[in-house]
Amino acid sequence: DQQVKQNSPSLSVQEGRISILNCDYTNSMFDYFLWYKKYPAEGPTFLISISSIKDKNEDGRFTVFLNKSAKHLSLHIVPSQPGDSAVYFCAASWDNNNDMRFGAGTRLTVKP
Amino acid sequence: DSGVTQTPKHLITATGQRVTLRCSPRSGDLSVYWYQQSLDQGLQFLIQYYNGEERAKGNILERFSAQQFPDLHSELNLSSLELGDSALYFCASGGGIPNYGYTFGSGTRLTVV
Repeated sequence: DQQVKQNSPSLSVQEGRISILNCDYTNSMFDYFLWYKKYPAEGPTFLISISSIKDKNEDGRFTVFLNKSAKHLSLHIVPSQPGDSAVYFCAASWDNNNDMRFGAGTRLTVKP
Repeated sequence: DSGVTQTPKHLITATGQRVTLRCSPRSGDLSVYWYQQSLDQGLQFLIQYYNGEERAKGNILERFSAQQFPDLHSELNLSSLELGDSALYFCASGGGIPNYGYTFGSGTRLTVV
């Protein structure tokens, strides 16, 4: 049941450049999307979210873009920093349903 | 410290055995969610409790069960363990509305040998 897919298991970028992490979903009922960040030996931490009524949400260096027609969202990190190196999970949920679906994660490595 | 406490951090047990994982949610959160992360897999939703009652069920095996107690802590019981049950088990807590993000604990690493 892969309703949320992150097709890139890993991504490597240079410090200061842009990191773009992608996520696709199949369930058109999803109306809220979230990104979580996970360091080794820690639980995932909430990073940023976006409602389906928006197409962009920005928080500092992090911006999430949503393309509902393509059922695609992306997370942009600008500029990337070595401390951003972690696994990033995309997640989706639908209203009044607490069954949040997660992607498999993308391991981001930011090289100094 | 996220405020969500999971114990134990590590657990090694033999096939066929039963274990109990414990989770104390962040103060004020009524919902507890359990997730399983197998090697190189995403987070698989198992089950959610809200204020003591089961709210949602995901890909939870019949050998697994959970409950939430009056003090809101939750336990995940895994029985007749198989090698494939080896995974990281995360507990998360929230106010019952996922749109604001869950707070995850640091997980319990279960190894079945």
